Amino acid sequence: RKEVEQDPGPFNVPEGATVAFNCTYSNSASQSFFWYRQDCRKEPKLLMSVYSSGNEDGRFTAQLNRASQYISLLIRDSKLSDSATYLCVVNVRNTGFQKLVFGTGTRLLVSP
Amino acid sequence: NAGVTQTPKFQVLKTGQSMTLQCAQDMNHEYMSWYRQDPGMGLRLIHYSVGAGITDQGEVPNGYNVSRSTTEDFPLRLLSAAPSQTSVYFCASSYRGRRDEQFFGPGTRLTVL
Repeated sequence: RKEVEQDPGPFNVPEGATVAFNCTYSNSASQSFFWYRQDCRKEPKLLMSVYSSGNEDGRFTAQLNRASQYISLLIRDSKLSDSATYLCVVNVRNTGFQKLVFGTGTRLLVSP
Repeated sequence: NAGVTQTPKFQVLKTGQSMTLQCAQDMNHEYMSWYRQDPGMGLRLIHYSVGAGITDQGEVPNGYNVSRSTTEDFPLRLLSAAPSQTSVYFCASSYRGRRDEQFFGPGTRLTVL
């Protein structure tokens, strides 16, 4: 079982739609959580951190459910420029080490 | 600031050849790392460094060497290229206490024939 699992998509939505992605993680030592965005054939870039209480950044809302071990990303009023792959990333910390574990990504296509 | 730079952008090698992928950053980040990205798999950590002179293995280190003689540079050496090393390679850097926020270079697309 992968440590971080995401639906690969693609999610095809029209402009203005609301879309949500989920991500599940398996390691209970996971301590912090993030969404990165990766445009086609480009490098990943940090989109936002995910806090236990949930957090918003403009049209983007991230939520964490530790009990069920999943993270979500909600995008409201989708724009064409939101088309990208969204990577769920988990920071696993244990005695003596920490590592970032990347999901394989969920692809979003926003059409006019 | 140039951020994280990588060269070359593209490379084709024959099996058995060796080469070095270059990575440099100008943000004075202590932490640098190399990842590979393959279809259907998340980014996987190859090697990392927490500062000049200190390196350690990541998840998939076999077939690769690294060194960190300066804060700015973190080259990745392929010792004897194999087709299984065909991938996109990303270098990343961050402040040591903020490994969560990795700044990635533009990547090197490597094909091994």
